[in-house]
Amino acid sequence: EAGVAQSPRYKIIEKRQSVAFWCNPISGHATLYWYQQILGQGPKLLIQFQNNGVVDDSQLPKDRFSAERLKGVDSTLKIQPAKLEDSAVYLCASSLGMRGAHNEQFFGPGTRLTVL
Amino acid sequence: KQEVTQIPAALSVPEGENLVLNCSFTDSAIYNLQWFRQDPGKGLTSLLLIQSSQREQTSGRLNASLDKSSGRSTLYIAASQPGDSATYLCARRGTSYGKLTFGQGTILTVHP
Repeated sequence: EAGVAQSPRYKIIEKRQSVAFWCNPISGHATLYWYQQILGQGPKLLIQFQNNGVVDDSQLPKDRFSAERLKGVDSTLKIQPAKLEDSAVYLCASSLGMRGAHNEQFFGPGTRLTVL
Repeated sequence: KQEVTQIPAALSVPEGENLVLNCSFTDSAIYNLQWFRQDPGKGLTSLLLIQSSQREQTSGRLNASLDKSSGRSTLYIAASQPGDSATYLCARRGTSYGKLTFGQGTILTVHP
């Protein structure tokens, strides 16, 4: 079974530029998560989708971050414009569902973003 | 605010040593507690998941315990090996549909 795929693996941009990350979850997984992991910290949930609907985006900086999962499968996370403090690893995870045993999350390798 | 704290932040041990990683959480309402491993440049791999009704889980050389009353979980690694070197993260889920709240991780180095 293929795991969660993410691209690109690394990205270096200058501040005020835009960047987009892509995630393809495990086939059949209805729930998709984007996390931000700043160096030395644990992952922080940015947004959670159930199929193509947003379940939780309470910690997403909506003035600059956006995410979509239009067909309920793969997802993109965009930052526009980027700030220095956005430098982090962006992790995508997926799970079968949201409740009980179905919400065990499987993580992708992450995209490491460096903002100069 | 729900917080998860891990101590120590970093640990370096010689090969063969038994060790304990600590995780504490401020909210005693807990659905489950999960331990992950993160290797450099890679995502998170789930190691052990303890439901609120359980006190411990074991997998090979790993044993995780949960004490809800004190808000603590420990990950015990027996006979450590250099291949165990990684960052270990604990994460708390408050309800069956709740999100994971992660600690900041413990960086473990096992030297030959």
